[in-house]
Amino acid sequence: SQTIHQWPATLVQPVGSPLSLECTVEGTSNPNLYWYRQAAGRGLQLLFYSVGIGQISSEVPQNLSASRPQDRQFILSSKKLLLSDSGFYLCAWSLLPRVSHGYTFGSGTRLTVV
Amino acid sequence: ILNVEQSPQSLHVQEGDSTNFTCSFPSSNFYALHWYRWETAKSPEALFVMTLNGDEKKKGRISATLNTKEGYSYLYIKGSQPEDSATYLCAFCSNDYKLSFGAGTTVTVRA
Repeated sequence: SQTIHQWPATLVQPVGSPLSLECTVEGTSNPNLYWYRQAAGRGLQLLFYSVGIGQISSEVPQNLSASRPQDRQFILSSKKLLLSDSGFYLCAWSLLPRVSHGYTFGSGTRLTVV
Repeated sequence: ILNVEQSPQSLHVQEGDSTNFTCSFPSSNFYALHWYRWETAKSPEALFVMTLNGDEKKKGRISATLNTKEGYSYLYIKGSQPEDSATYLCAFCSNDYKLSFGAGTTVTVRA
C-alpha cells in the first residue's frame, strides 16, 4: 500500500537560519508531489508541485524553494527563514489523471520561526 | 489563485442533529471537486472526489452534491456524532489538475 512520510513533525527555527523539510512516498511510482502551507486562520495554499524528477513548479513568489532529487522524494528548503514562513506545511501526492481517490497527505510539519 | 469559498467558517451541532455547509468555486475550467476531512493532529483525509454535474456521493452518514454549472457543492452530515467533529475542506481541481482549497468549515458536535 502507498504511504507518505513527512518530517520533522515540529520545528522551531531562528530567523535567518536554513530550512529543510523532507517528504517521501512509498508504494507508488512517478507520483505528482505537492507542498502546501496553512498560515494561521487561512486555508491550504499550494506552494510547489512536481510531476517528475527535477521538475518543480512554483505557485507563489516566496522565500522557499523545492527540489525533487529522486522519484519519491520531495524537499522544501530555505536559505534564510523569515518570520512570515511560520505555518503548517503539508506534503501530498497523487496519481494523475486517476484523481478519483483524491490527494494523500503527510502528517505535516509545524514550523515556528522565532 | 482561484477563489474557493466555504461557509460557514464554523458551526456547532448537537449530537443527533443533521447539518450541511457550502463550498462555492469557479464554474469554468472545472475538472473535479474534492472534499476532505481534517481531524485535529491528523492528516487531511479524502472523503469524495466528484467530477460530473449532478453527482451525489455518500459515505456512511456523510453525503455531498455537486452543481458545476452554478459552481457550488453541499456537504451533509446526517445524525451528527462527536467523531464527526473536524474541519471539512473542499478543493477545486481545474483542468491543469491543481487543487485550490477553501479555508474550511470547522464542525463541532456537542454531546
